[in-house]
Amino acid sequence: KQEVTQIPAALSVPEGENLVLNCSFTDSAIYNLQWFRQDPGKGLTSLLLIQSSQREQTSGRLNASLDKSSGRSTLYIAASQPGDSATYLCAVMDSNYQLIWGAGTKLIIKP
Amino acid sequence: KAGVTQTPRYLIKTRGQQVTLSCSPISGHRSVSWYQQTPGQGLQFLFEYFSETQRNKGNFPGRFSGRQFSNSRSEMNVSTLELGDSALYLCASSLRPGGNRANEKLFFGSGTQLSVL
Repeated sequence: KQEVTQIPAALSVPEGENLVLNCSFTDSAIYNLQWFRQDPGKGLTSLLLIQSSQREQTSGRLNASLDKSSGRSTLYIAASQPGDSATYLCAVMDSNYQLIWGAGTKLIIKP
Repeated sequence: KAGVTQTPRYLIKTRGQQVTLSCSPISGHRSVSWYQQTPGQGLQFLFEYFSETQRNKGNFPGRFSGRQFSNSRSEMNVSTLELGDSALYLCASSLRPGGNRANEKLFFGSGTQLSVL
């Protein structure tokens, strides 16, 4: 059974710092890994999608990597800003085309 | 282009009642999936519809059901509500590019917050 774990559960850093969020999964048979952000009381916004054959994806200040063999992904946020404060979720699409979700990392960027 | 619209935004029901939630996908999107989000269990996949057919189903009891209409709008229904059904219900739509689900990007609505008293 696929399980997705995100560490840390919460993170608070000063504005301007670079930071890394971690995601691990137990079964390497995935179609993709996706990172989302969720703002309080709102839905999810897709940030990056990495197909299983890819190693990384970049969008602006965000970079996500995927190491399928070790079951790990990292989301790197450069030059963090207060607007980056949100909960970040990772999810893997398993062999049944279902998204299995991590519990999320709550990120607070202090001005 | 309008995003994914979910109605109602908030709902309060009592145990034993039933509820219907609605989701209108982005224009042109034919796939709609539903998720339940709770503080204890996190996000869990409920089911997915494509071209009016349920294509995938998560591990939820039969009290949870859904359907999709010819215009791709979808509804989910929960019968005989229990306290544990209190959750944020999220709907997502996707374009469903032909055959390559590995590149399928999801667009989420703001959700329906259901409280069961």
